[in-house]
Amino acid sequence: DAGITQSPRHKVTETGTPVTLRCHQTENHRYMYWYRQDPGHGLRLIHYSYGVKDTDKGEVSDGYSVSRSKTEDFLLTLESATSSQTSVYFCAISEGDRGPDTQYFGPGTRLTVL
Amino acid sequence: DAKTTQPPSMDCAEGRAANLPCNHSTISGNEYVYWYRQIHSQGPQYIIHGLKNNETNEMASLIITEDRKSSTLILPHATLRDTAVYYCIVRPSNTGNQFYFGTGTSLTVIP
Repeated sequence: DAGITQSPRHKVTETGTPVTLRCHQTENHRYMYWYRQDPGHGLRLIHYSYGVKDTDKGEVSDGYSVSRSKTEDFLLTLESATSSQTSVYFCAISEGDRGPDTQYFGPGTRLTVL
Repeated sequence: DAKTTQPPSMDCAEGRAANLPCNHSTISGNEYVYWYRQIHSQGPQYIIHGLKNNETNEMASLIITEDRKSSTLILPHATLRDTAVYYCIVRPSNTGNQFYFGTGTSLTVIP
């Protein structure tokens, strides 16, 4: 399995509080992604990064920000958490080389916003 | 990305081959076929991918029809640990694109 860890694995927070999720990789892959998974919606891309300090928005980026100051770490921040952001969040990585760009996923973080 | 169609659920006896079909009739020439699976509450796990030719690795085989409009994932000897939701995804090779996971096929391996 790809060396991807996510922290925390579970978090319960209250509406209006800031939350930061961390994704850490040991594969030195260039690309990192944040997805959320909700029943009936499958996995949806929030943001992704194609290098240190280089990020772009995905399909459902509103209410989220990201930062990548080191190759190995990609942070997802909910500035003011809402109940609609209750979800399971997955980080993924890929090498970003030419040809097929296989993504490998982390174990997930289950976030509950009360 | 091309749309895929998979049966919502399938059963397979333990030790038998599990054949999971996927239709992708609108696939473009530069789009790959990927298969992932997700065991309950875990992150999606990469299984295999292919472009035109059949592919095999330690987990599974991927059979792609000559017209590339459909494919079959084969788990040669299914075990109880293969019970999962299996996703067929078609996407181009350029980087930075998300993987669009549909509803997949829920495979249950029966003892």
